[in-house]
Amino acid sequence: DVKVTQSSRYLVKRTGEKVFLECVQDMDHENMFWYRQDPGLGLRLIYFSYDVKMKEKGDIPEGYSVSREKKERFSLILESASTNQTSMYLCASSHLGERTQETQYFGPGTRLLVL
Amino acid sequence: QKEVEQNSGPLSVPEGAIASLNCTYSDRGSQSFFWYRQYSGKSPELIMFIYSNGDKEDGRFTAQLNKASQYVSLLIRDSQPSDSATYLCAAFTGGGNKLTFGTGTQLKVEL
Repeated sequence: DVKVTQSSRYLVKRTGEKVFLECVQDMDHENMFWYRQDPGLGLRLIYFSYDVKMKEKGDIPEGYSVSREKKERFSLILESASTNQTSMYLCASSHLGERTQETQYFGPGTRLLVL
Repeated sequence: QKEVEQNSGPLSVPEGAIASLNCTYSDRGSQSFFWYRQYSGKSPELIMFIYSNGDKEDGRFTAQLNKASQYVSLLIRDSQPSDSATYLCAAFTGGGNKLTFGTGTQLKVEL
């Protein structure tokens, strides 16, 4: 079974703090993704990576950065947290290959509250 | 803008009935389609995927794809209260290894 883990289930941070969210997958997947999910807005892609040290902006990259130093690990960084970044953050991974292998597998999510 | 559209619901069905969830997509280049189930406060989990026109069955779930009409649906037979969740439809277009997600349909199965 594919396993995607995220470093925290719940986080409370103060405005202006630097926040690190970590994601690890154990299936040797090439692709990794960071989404945020807000009521009524659905899943929005922040950044994704298709290889070590490679990153691509998603639909809402402003205020975020990412790091992928190892294939299994993808980190999301909030350089200076703001209250509008309060959200559920979801990490996902997928295999690069045949069309049926684009299935994305999600981690349990991190609910971040910025005060 | 490539979009995947879903009715937000809630869709209410009685226990034992068939629930029909619908999804339309705008990009004719979309190749594969995925249905995820998401319980409140939890992360999405894959139910099934489909990439050929027609029906694909897996247990109580049937996915239907009509590429000419750009329409994907998920049927849940013998609906159970445990099926109450939000169902997300997603499309893969082959570019950039990304999925485009709809905003989801909330399903409520009532006793």
